[in-house]
Amino acid sequence: DTGVSQNPRHKITKRGQNVTFRCDPISEHNRLYWYRQTLGQGPEFLTYFQNEAQLEKSRLLSDRFSAERPKGSFSTLEIQRTEQGDSAMYLCASSLAAPRLGYTFGSGTRLTVV
Amino acid sequence: AQKVTQAQTEISVVEKEDVTLDCVYETRDTTYYLFWYKQPPSGELVFLIRRNSFDEQNEISGRYSWNFQKSTSSFNFTITASQVVDSAVYFCALSESKSVGATNKLIFGTGTLLAVQP
Repeated sequence: DTGVSQNPRHKITKRGQNVTFRCDPISEHNRLYWYRQTLGQGPEFLTYFQNEAQLEKSRLLSDRFSAERPKGSFSTLEIQRTEQGDSAMYLCASSLAAPRLGYTFGSGTRLTVV
Repeated sequence: AQKVTQAQTEISVVEKEDVTLDCVYETRDTTYYLFWYKQPPSGELVFLIRRNSFDEQNEISGRYSWNFQKSTSSFNFTITASQVVDSAVYFCALSESKSVGATNKLIFGTGTLLAVQP
């Protein structure tokens, strides 16, 4: 197992465009989390999946954001009509039994909106 | 509400100095976990330690040590004989530990940037 994989690593997009990020968790992990990290801040929780069910969404997840985890495997995070304030690192983490067994983070997708 | 405070924004030390990174947390939960992560310039979060709220034993791993004190809600991290490779942002984080189905998400502090000068 190669850990949590996130693609792309970097994305530069023009304001108003839609972007989609992908996260491939560790295969046996049923829990999947998305976090957003802006410059100089710690990661902030966005949303949580248990298997294919999205069980919690942060108020940070505006209507322009949508996340899916079809069949409880990989997950996608889409941002529609991007704004400059969306520029951040988007981190994905997976876990088998959080927090007792911890979380494994991916390397993140760094989004720059110009 | 849960909260993690890392009051030290930046710390600069000279190689071989010892350095302590402070972490203070707030939670109403009786069962929780505390974590430390390292984030080098490349951006990935590197797990350092996980501690259960029922285990107040201090831990040492090589040059790293952690001091967990429930009485003061602190979970401080000390690097002994710092090295240039220790330069990174360090995050303290807190997670509730509730029943199956609960989110148990991580709440992060704002991080401490450690710069170790040669």
